[in-house]
Order: sequence, then C-alpha cells, then structure tokens
Amino acid sequence: DAKTTQPTSMDCAEGRAANLPCNHSTISGNEYVYWYRQIHSQGPQYIIHGLKNNETNEMASLIITEDRKSSTLILPHATLRDTAVYYCIEVGAGNNRKLIWGLGTSLAVNP
Amino acid sequence: SAVISQKPSRDICQRGTSLTIQCQVDSQVTMMFWYRQQPGQSLTLIATANQGSEATYESGFVIDKFPISRPNLTFSTLTVSNMSPEDSSIYLCSATEPGGGNTEAFFGQGTRLTVV
Repeated sequence: DAKTTQPTSMDCAEGRAANLPCNHSTISGNEYVYWYRQIHSQGPQYIIHGLKNNETNEMASLIITEDRKSSTLILPHATLRDTAVYYCIEVGAGNNRKLIWGLGTSLAVNP
Repeated sequence: SAVISQKPSRDICQRGTSLTIQCQVDSQVTMMFWYRQQPGQSLTLIATANQGSEATYESGFVIDKFPISRPNLTFSTLTVSNMSPEDSSIYLCSATEPGGGNTEAFFGQGTRLTVV
C-alpha cells in the first residue's frame, strides 16, 4: 500500500499558483519525496524530487517541512495543460526502485 | 533523460489470445519495470524485468500469465497470456537507474489493451 496521502481532487484557476499537499508521516531518513503527474491517456511524467531541502526546477517547486512529514508541490502559474493526476511517492535510497503508487490528486485547472 | 517507446500503443484482442508488448529505451538502463493501470485506478507494479535472468514478480502476478523478457539493457517485452476481459488495462513500461534513490523514473506512453 502507498505510504503517502493526498487529497482526492483540487481545483485551481488558470494563471494562479496550484499548491498540492502530501502527507508522508512515516518517511525514513534516507527516503526521497518524488512527484509525478499523469495527464489523461499518457504515461506518468517526472516533475521534481527532494530529500530535505526545498527544490525548484523549470516545472515546479517542492517545499518539504522541517520534520519531513509533509510536502507541497507548487505550480507557480497553472495552465490548462497542467490538468492531470499528481502523485507523491516515497523512494528509498537503496537499489530497490519499485514505486508504490497511491491514488494521487486530480487537479483541474479552470479557465 | 531516457525516452521510452512502447508498441503497440493500443490493441483490441479476443479473449483466450495473447499479446506481446514491446518496450524500447533509447539508452542503456539498469532497471526496467512493468506496471498495470486498470480503468480509473492507479499504477500497480507487475514485475521487475531483470537483464539476463527471470523477472521478479509482485504478489498477485505470475510468470505463466505475464511472461517477461529482457535480452539486453535497452529492451523488454511483456506478454499478456490467455487474455480475459479483466485484463483490459493500460500497461506501462518504466526505466530508471539505482542512483541511491536520487534518480527519476521514465515511462512509456503505455499500451491500452481492450479484451473482448
């Protein structure tokens, strides 16, 4: 079973920031937090990941709380093309790279 | 980043038949995986495709039903055998490197299978 919990769905207005929360209260010290998204009828797409520090790339920002029990993915200026299911996943530092997927958050960006 | 191509992208098959899905990566990768995504559901790992040896299957999935090959570091196949309508799903190939947890996974676009 997935070890992360996310809201089932969220709405965001186009051009506004979308803030997607994730709880990972049982995360281990050497586990990363990864975010992927799946646009309808496509394969999952990597967005960003982090261990302890906040991270930013061309797609999004990842804010991880100091206790690492939760994080927030921020899409700074959401567009209609950001409508997708967003998954937050814990990934261990070992060689076992299996991903355990929860149900994710279905984000609807509205015009 | 790695680019993953899956073939076919979709198929409609008769029950009792088998379908082989191909996954080609544009670079050598250490680890390849096969996932199933049933309608309206999240991804479920079927197996890890091991290069040069038998695949490692997750609970609930068996080699007779989902035989997997991985002859080299860039290619793998998944066969869905003796299909029934319950096998109608999207099947996804994924690749990654160990990287101590610090490397992302890449996915193909999936194969949408409908069994009639």
